[in-house]
Amino acid sequence: SYELTQPPSVSVSPGQTARITCSADALPKQYAYWYQQKPGQAPVLVIYKDSERPSGIPERFSGSSSGTTVTLTISGVQAEDEADYYCQSADSSGTYPLFGGGTKLTVL
Amino acid sequence: QVQLQESGPGLVKPSETLSLTCTVSGGSISSYYWSWIRQPPGKGLEWIGYIYYSGSTNYNPSLKSRVTISVDTSKNQFSLKLSSVTAADTAVYYCARVRYIAAAGTWWFDPWGQGTLVTVSS
Repeated sequence: SYELTQPPSVSVSPGQTARITCSADALPKQYAYWYQQKPGQAPVLVIYKDSERPSGIPERFSGSSSGTTVTLTISGVQAEDEADYYCQSADSSGTYPLFGGGTKLTVL
Repeated sequence: QVQLQESGPGLVKPSETLSLTCTVSGGSISSYYWSWIRQPPGKGLEWIGYIYYSGSTNYNPSLKSRVTISVDTSKNQFSLKLSSVTAADTAVYYCARVRYIAAAGTWWFDPWGQGTLVTVSS
C-alpha cells in the first residue's frame, strides 16, 4: 500500500541543524505538511504547502521539496524542539489525506 | 481564535459503537471542513474522515464501513460514530479543522483539539 516514509528517529545537538525527510512517489504532484507533537499534546502545524510557515512558528523551522522527498529543516535546534514530527500529504491518487509514520527528534 | 474540544465516553465495550462530539468555539462551523484523526497509544496518526458543514463526507477507505461523521451547525458541533469497535480502536481521538484547496486537491489540519482517549475494553 502507498506510504509516506519517514526515518523513525533523528538526533542532533543543541544549536545544530536537524533535517527530517519524508518520501513518497506522488510527492512531486502533491503538497506536504509538517506537524510537531510534544508528549501528551495535540499536533501543531509547523509547515504547510511544502514550505510556508504559519504565524507564530519560529523562523528556524523551514520546509523544502525535491522530487519524491520533502524535508523539514530546523536550524539552530533548541531543547524545546524535541518532539515527534509527522509529515502529511495525500494518497497516491489524491483522494484522501495520509500521514507519515512520524520521526522522533532527540536533542542531545 | 478557533478552538475545538472533544467529548464523549472514555470507555467503550467491544462490538459496541464509539461516539464522540467535537464542539467548535471562537468561530463558525460554516464554510469549513472538519475532521477526525486518531492515534493509538505509542503509534502514529491515522486520518478517519472529514465532513463539510453542508454534510458531504470523505472517509478513510480502511474504516469507511464502520464510520459515520455528522454535523450540527445549530450547535457548532460535529460528531463521530465508529461501530463494531475492537481493542485495535483504542486511541486518542482528535478533532481538527481542515484547510482544503480544491483546485490543488490538498488538505491540512489546523487547529486541533486536545484529544480524548477512548479505550475499548470489557
